Formats: sequence, C-alpha cells, structure tokens
Amino acid sequence: GAVVSQHPSWVICKSGTSVKIECRSLDFQATTMFWYRQFPKQSLMLMATSNEGSKATYEQGVEKDKFLINHASLTLSTLTVTSAHPEDSSFYICSARAHWDRSYNSPLHFGNGTRLTVT
Amino acid sequence: GDSVTQMEGPVTLSEEAFLTINCTYTATGYPSLFWYVQYPGEGLQLLLKATKADDKGSNKGFEATYRKETTSFHLEKGSVQVSDSAVYFCALSTEANAGGTSYGKLTFGQGTILTVHP
Repeated sequence: GAVVSQHPSWVICKSGTSVKIECRSLDFQATTMFWYRQFPKQSLMLMATSNEGSKATYEQGVEKDKFLINHASLTLSTLTVTSAHPEDSSFYICSARAHWDRSYNSPLHFGNGTRLTVT
Repeated sequence: GDSVTQMEGPVTLSEEAFLTINCTYTATGYPSLFWYVQYPGEGLQLLLKATKADDKGSNKGFEATYRKETTSFHLEKGSVQVSDSAVYFCALSTEANAGGTSYGKLTFGQGTILTVHP
C-alpha cells in the first residue's frame, strides 16, 4: 500500500517552454504533498508543501511563479516548471503524507522522481 | 535552521562486512529521525525511524539509535548483502505549520552511496 506514482520519469524540453510533472497517490488520499529537488551528489531540497485545496507553501528562495504547484484533489498534485531554463535541469521528487498519518513523525511516501533536462 | 550531515560516500564493502554510516543533526525543537533508502531506479522508502531519545529503530538487519547527547543517528548493519547496495539518506522531521495546518517537514542529509561486492 501507499504507492505514489510520478510522471514522467524523465523529460527533455527546450529552453523557454513549460513542463508539467504529475504526482498521484494510487491507493490512499494524500492530504499533504511535498516537492523536492535533488542536484547531483547533493541532498534533497524541499521546494514547497501543498495541502489539498489550498495554496502551496514555498520554501525560502524558491520562485513561486516559476514552480507552480497545484494540489487540486486528494490524489493528485502537479508541479509546472514555467519558462524552463538549463539551470532548472534537475531531479524532482514528490512525496505524500497519507490521510491516516496525522503526526509529523510519520513517514512520507515517495514517487520515483522525474529527471528534467532543459536544452 | 535544521540540518543533517552524513558521512561522505561512496562506501564500498564486501559481502558480510560490517556497515556504519554516520549521521549527525542540528535542529530546533525535538525532531524525529529517519533513515530512508533509495534502491536503483526506485523512489525513497522508509528504512527505519526513531521518535525520541534512546529509541532504537531497526529493520532488515539495520539499526540506528537516537542519541540526543551527541545529536547522532548512525546507521549500522552487522553483515551487509549485495542487495543492500543503494543510496541511504538520514533525515529529520520537525513539526511545522502553515495556514493553520500542521505538517512534518523532512530535512535530508546528502545521501551516502553504498556498494556491496560479492
């Protein structure tokens, strides 16, 4: 149980275009979803937190107009990288907290990540 | 702010060797501590966790003890297998609040690549 599906697993796009990444909880309701970015040989950096039906909370230094997050339903969150540039190339990972996990010390469930390359 | 520091990798071991991956943290408040593992081509998954001082988390032969006095949560396994080859992430979670909603915010270490040879 607690499967998170992330699509696409990899995407190549041209500079200036926008890319949408989907994160779905397949067998549970995700009240909270988190989006992370991972640079090579570096840690996962939290970009934003989204709760279903409300605006995402972005971490300091993350451009909210560049990284649009929508959590329209209890099973789907999307991250749209707008007007992508080569420096946005990275590995993006979503994770979700299940509706039965009320505590902050409950584990998160992760998608397999999306490798974005902007040419 | 919160931070997690892991020993640098990669770590290369022979099968049945003893494994230690060091992890230390700084946090405001009283964090919960986790080890996540990422197998090749897969997403991160929880390996073990501990939520209070002196707790020992264990799973699949791996262990880690929450040491508040040394702010550490080192991962150990007595005898590694080839199938343990993966990237291991130490992480902490503290309670955070936004818009009236409480949630746990995970802070990760940089990850340690483990390769086990037959």
